[in-house]
Amino acid sequence: SYVLTQPPSESVAPGQTARLTCGGINIDTENVHWYQQKPGQAPILVVYDTSDRPSGIPERFSGSSSGNTATLTISRVEAGDEAGYYCQTWDGTGDHPVFGGGTKLTVL
Amino acid sequence: EVQLVESGGASVQPGRSLRLSCVASGFTFDDYAMHWLRQVPGKGLEWVSGITWNSDNINYADSVLGRFTISRDNAKRSLYLQMNSLRADDMAVYYCAKDGGLINALYYFDSWGQGTLVTVSS
Repeated sequence: SYVLTQPPSESVAPGQTARLTCGGINIDTENVHWYQQKPGQAPILVVYDTSDRPSGIPERFSGSSSGNTATLTISRVEAGDEAGYYCQTWDGTGDHPVFGGGTKLTVL
Repeated sequence: EVQLVESGGASVQPGRSLRLSCVASGFTFDDYAMHWLRQVPGKGLEWVSGITWNSDNINYADSVLGRFTISRDNAKRSLYLQMNSLRADDMAVYYCAKDGGLINALYYFDSWGQGTLVTVSS
């Protein structure tokens, strides 16, 4: 099955840029989606199809992908961005969606 | 505004059954595939099952195949998950989610309910 690897945690100071990575073999050939989840809340889609933003998501959130790594970039990080972030794509071998293990973003 | 409201979560013994429901509003329900996902508290997300707008295509995670059944009633704007032979590792918060694709399922999830907790314990 297709494995997506995310670092368990990242930290960033307010106003700086956070780059959250998601590793997978040839992930740049897949559509990657990113979700934000705050404690006690349901996930929210923040980026879909690797680099598109749903309506209502700030432009500070952007996505990209190259080689074996997809990246969610959060510019001008705010305290309210502190959350878990999950990447997701399609596992063509298992024929189902697959998630990374998630990254807990801490705003210092 | 899209709203998805799950219900049916409960505490059950291993081997028992449970049926989850999700009522949708704020969008044309029968234009979209729908999904169930789950999350063990404090852990990651797992897709469980998906169903296309007309129920023509249904699929399941290997972990629930043969035990869980997804269905929908477009007239009632409702999605269901029948869970049989429940095991301790099925214990999780179960989310109903709307597919991001119009008619064609794209297998990403652009709206989620608040979830319903299923506890499996003797």
